Amino acid sequence: GDSVTQMEGPVTLSEEAFLTINCTYTATGYPSLFWYVQYPGEGLQLLLKATKADDKGSNKGFEATYRKETTSFHLEKGSVQVSDSAVYFCALRGTGANSKLTFGKGITLSVRP
Amino acid sequence: KAGVTQTPRYLIKTRGQQVTLSCSPISGHRSVSWYQQTPGQGLQFLFEYFSETQRNKGNFPGRFSGRQFSNSRSEMNVSTLELGDSALYLCASSLAAGGRTYEQYFGPGTRLTVT
Repeated sequence: GDSVTQMEGPVTLSEEAFLTINCTYTATGYPSLFWYVQYPGEGLQLLLKATKADDKGSNKGFEATYRKETTSFHLEKGSVQVSDSAVYFCALRGTGANSKLTFGKGITLSVRP
Repeated sequence: KAGVTQTPRYLIKTRGQQVTLSCSPISGHRSVSWYQQTPGQGLQFLFEYFSETQRNKGNFPGRFSGRQFSNSRSEMNVSTLELGDSALYLCASSLAAGGRTYEQYFGPGTRLTVT
């Protein structure tokens, strides 16, 4: 079945540091790929998405490129802020019977001033 | 446009009881999905409804059930609660079901604690 693997956490960075969170996937067909963010005590917020190979999703300074050749969708941000501290989930969504969201385990990011 | 709303936000139940959680999707969205989030298992898919029909189901026991009404609002029910059912239950709405490009928007969740 479909699966998503995220790098182990947690990750602690200083403000203005460069962020990379790795995500790889296994899926049949051509899934769409998503990054969600969860702040303490809240539900998931959609951060960005990409629906086909070589698409780049971007939002709030975050970017991720759909790499079919490496089955990856790594999240990057050039300069993190304290307000970016949250849990980040990589997810994929297929079609038909596989149309549910399949999530990675999530990674906690802490940004210190 | 209002987001996905879930009620109640917090719930404490005793083993053996049953519970019903409610979800109102974003206006115009016709698909509702439910997920369970626990520290050990992460986010797991429960089921998806579209036009009052269950379209997809995850690997959960029959104690977990759901339904969708004609106004797209959805409820999920858990009967004979077990301690392991303690979790954050998240509802997500989408324009339609089955489409891989459709974004799912999540509500704040219902925190269920079983004692």
